[in-house]
Amino acid sequence: EVQLVESGGGLVQPGRSLRLSCAASGFTFDDYAMHWVRQAPGKGLEWVSGISFNSGSLVYADSVKGRFTISRDNAKNSLYLQMNSLRAEDTAFYYCSKDKAFRYFDSMDFWGQGTLVTVSS
Amino acid sequence: DIQLTQSPSSLSASVGDRVTITCRASQSVSHYLHWYQQKPGEAPKLLISVTSNLESGVPSRFSGSGSGTDFTLTISSLQPEDFATYYCQQSYSTLFTFGPGTKVDLK
Repeated sequence: EVQLVESGGGLVQPGRSLRLSCAASGFTFDDYAMHWVRQAPGKGLEWVSGISFNSGSLVYADSVKGRFTISRDNAKNSLYLQMNSLRAEDTAFYYCSKDKAFRYFDSMDFWGQGTLVTVSS
Repeated sequence: DIQLTQSPSSLSASVGDRVTITCRASQSVSHYLHWYQQKPGEAPKLLISVTSNLESGVPSRFSGSGSGTDFTLTISSLQPEDFATYYCQQSYSTLFTFGPGTKVDLK
């Protein structure tokens, strides 16, 4: 059974940093791209960042480029999102998701339950 | 960036109704258009990938069609568990984008 469990969310002041983690199990982690998708409370889905199976391709939404860094550790079956220079508008539930395609970017077939990041003074 | 719009933004329907949701892309996404369902307090669930490929376990009352810039999600006979918000998403560009969502609620 595929499981994705996010952690690391919480309350943080504007301008500070936070690192999210996603622990994956139930599939061959190093065969699939992974993504972070966020959802502000009561709002729609916003794709944040994606990373290819071998970390060779890192992609970011314009809204986070230069502030957020996605990474993965295939030996630990883990995905990360380093978030720097946080802003109030980064407040959201952050979901980790698995790409459906084998060693390619496509749709997102499994999702974690999300971790809430609140940016406020 | 490829922008996705959805119409309507919300709709009210009854059990048994046929429901159609439209997703339009600002440029061609070929067939790389996917549909998700999200219920309150839950993570999104992939329903249909690459325009019309029904995911395992998804009821056959859901179907998808389209190509290029215009796509539709159809629910042939709405069931109580289908009241949710539906999002389209494109993967033609690796600057992935979601549509703003269509909320389906009970009339």
